[in-house]
Amino acid sequence: QQQVKQSPQSLIVQKGGIPIINCAYENTAFDYFPWYQQFPGKGPALLIAIRPDVSEKKEGRFTISFNKSAKQFSLHIMDSQPGDSATYFCAASNPETSGSRLTFGEGTQLTVNP
Amino acid sequence: SQTIHQWPATLVQPVGSPLSLECTVEGTSNPNLYWYRQAAGRGLQLLFYSVGIGQISSEVPQNLSASRPQDRQFILSSKKLLLSDSGFYLCAWRVGIAIGNEQYFGPGTRLTVT
Repeated sequence: QQQVKQSPQSLIVQKGGIPIINCAYENTAFDYFPWYQQFPGKGPALLIAIRPDVSEKKEGRFTISFNKSAKQFSLHIMDSQPGDSATYFCAASNPETSGSRLTFGEGTQLTVNP
Repeated sequence: SQTIHQWPATLVQPVGSPLSLECTVEGTSNPNLYWYRQAAGRGLQLLFYSVGIGQISSEVPQNLSASRPQDRQFILSSKKLLLSDSGFYLCAWRVGIAIGNEQYFGPGTRLTVT
């Protein structure tokens, strides 16, 4: 129940395309859903986050779509660029757990070709 | 502003040797602190977390240990390293447990056990 399932494992798009990464969860106690971007050899960086009372959030070219009834959320990257090539992780937070730990998806390796 | 430091950045250690990785956070008080390990091309595995000085919770049984001697200092240790301890170690911090309190990662330590 604490799992977050992320897909696809890898994704290749052309520059300007709109990659979409999906995550699904079971635990309805999750109340916060961040996305992280990680470049090779670097720590993950917080990209964008959403709460379950909002269906969509945009920050620049990055959009989170959230479907509470389906228990799914996704990251869309508009007008993708080669510099967006990185590994993306979704996560979910359960306030009922000690330390408010994040549960992470397994990651999606995105490649944006020029 | 808040910053998180980890050192060393890279480390090569022989099997059976001890380990000490340090993480410090600046610009905040009483953060939740976390240690993660990331194997090559894999996801984020939570190893330890701490909600206060001297309070350590372990997520995965292993030959690693953690300590929090000061509010903003988190140390990962081992008495005898195994080959399987190789990986990218990430420290992270988060303030409070309220909804939307973001979690931030440090730059990481690349550990190679030979």
